[in-house]
This record gives sequence, structure tokens and C-alpha cells, in this order.
Amino acid sequence: SQTIHQWPATLVQPVGSPLSLECTVEGTSNPNLYWYRQAAGRGLQLLFYSVGIGQISSEVPQNLSASRPQDRQFILSSKKLLLSDSGFYLCAWTIVQGLSYGYTFGSGTRLTVV
Amino acid sequence: SQKIEQNSEALNIQEGKTATLTCNYTNYSPAYLQWYRQDPGRGPVFLLLIRENEKEKRKERLKVTFDTTLKQSLFHITASQPADSATYLCALSHYNQGGKLIFGQGTELSVKP
Repeated sequence: SQTIHQWPATLVQPVGSPLSLECTVEGTSNPNLYWYRQAAGRGLQLLFYSVGIGQISSEVPQNLSASRPQDRQFILSSKKLLLSDSGFYLCAWTIVQGLSYGYTFGSGTRLTVV
Repeated sequence: SQKIEQNSEALNIQEGKTATLTCNYTNYSPAYLQWYRQDPGRGPVFLLLIRENEKEKRKERLKVTFDTTLKQSLFHITASQPADSATYLCALSHYNQGGKLIFGQGTELSVKP
């Protein structure tokens, strides 16, 4: 069966420090991968998505970047965190023909920038 | 710009009643509409998907309708239970956008015993 792993679960980082969040998917090949951010009490904002290795589409200009070094690995990074980067970060995947299938989300990372 | 609106106020209902949540959208022609459930501190969980050429979809106690003329979807939970209490998210996707899903802000449902 397919599973998605996301870590760490919580993270407290000082302003200006780097960030690396990792997401891996098991049990499927060539998934579409997504990074979302959710502010408190708000909906999900799409940050990046990837339809293949090395293919990254950015939705919102910001202090973050994403990479997909392997088929089932998706990494969210920042060189210098801002206070506004705080939030709940969620990784998700769906099959390539993803329009007609639901997304599977990871358990999320709660990031607090102090 | 594209906009997805869900009831911003929390919905409080009595156990056993039918909960109805609304999702409206503007400046968008979605191919698919999806509903998710999210519990506090957790990732959303996929519930149902309905295509643009479908009027209604059912799954156990859940029912979704999709009216592309009104640009609206209704999500119903019949015989609601306290365990149904959660935030419910509506999401839309289009054919030519890499499968990316755009979410509404969600409606919080509270079912009282």
C-alpha cells in the first residue's frame, strides 16, 4: 500500500536560519508531489508542485524553494527563514493522472520561526 | 482572480441531523471538485470527488452535489455523529494545471450529542 512520510512533526527555528523539510512516498511510482502551507485558521496555500524528477513549479514567490532529487522524494528548503514562514506545512501526492484522484497528505510539519 | 468560498462561520448541529456545507467558486471552470476532512493538527483526508459532468455523488452517509451553472457544490452528511466534527475543505482542479488542487478556507462542523 502507498504511504507518505513527512518529518519533522514540529520545528522551532530562529529567524535567519536555514530550513529543510523532507517528504517521501512509498508504494507508488512517478507520483505528482505537492507542498502546501496552512496558516492558523486558514485554507491550504499551494507552494510548489512537481510532476517528475527535477521538475518544480512554483506557485507563490517567496523565501522558499523546493527540489525533487528522486522520484519519491520532495524537499522544501529555505536559506534564511522569516517570521512570516511560520505555519503548518503539508506534503501531498497523487497519481500522475491526478485530476481524477484524491490527494494523500502527510501528517504535516508545524514550523514556528522565532 | 479565482476564488473559492466556504461558510466562514462554524456550523453547529445536533446529532442525527443532516449537515449541509456550501462551496462556491468564481472565475473558474473546474474539471473536478473534491471534499476533504481535516482534524486539528492533522493533514486533510480525501472524502469524495465529483466530475464536472456529474450532478451528484454518494458514499455511505456522504453526498456531494455539483452545479456548474450556479458554480456551487453542496456537501451533506446525513445522520451526523459527534465523530463527524472536523473542518471540511472544498478543493477544485482544472484539466490543464498539472493536477494541482486549489482549496477553500474550510468550514468547521461541530456535532453536538
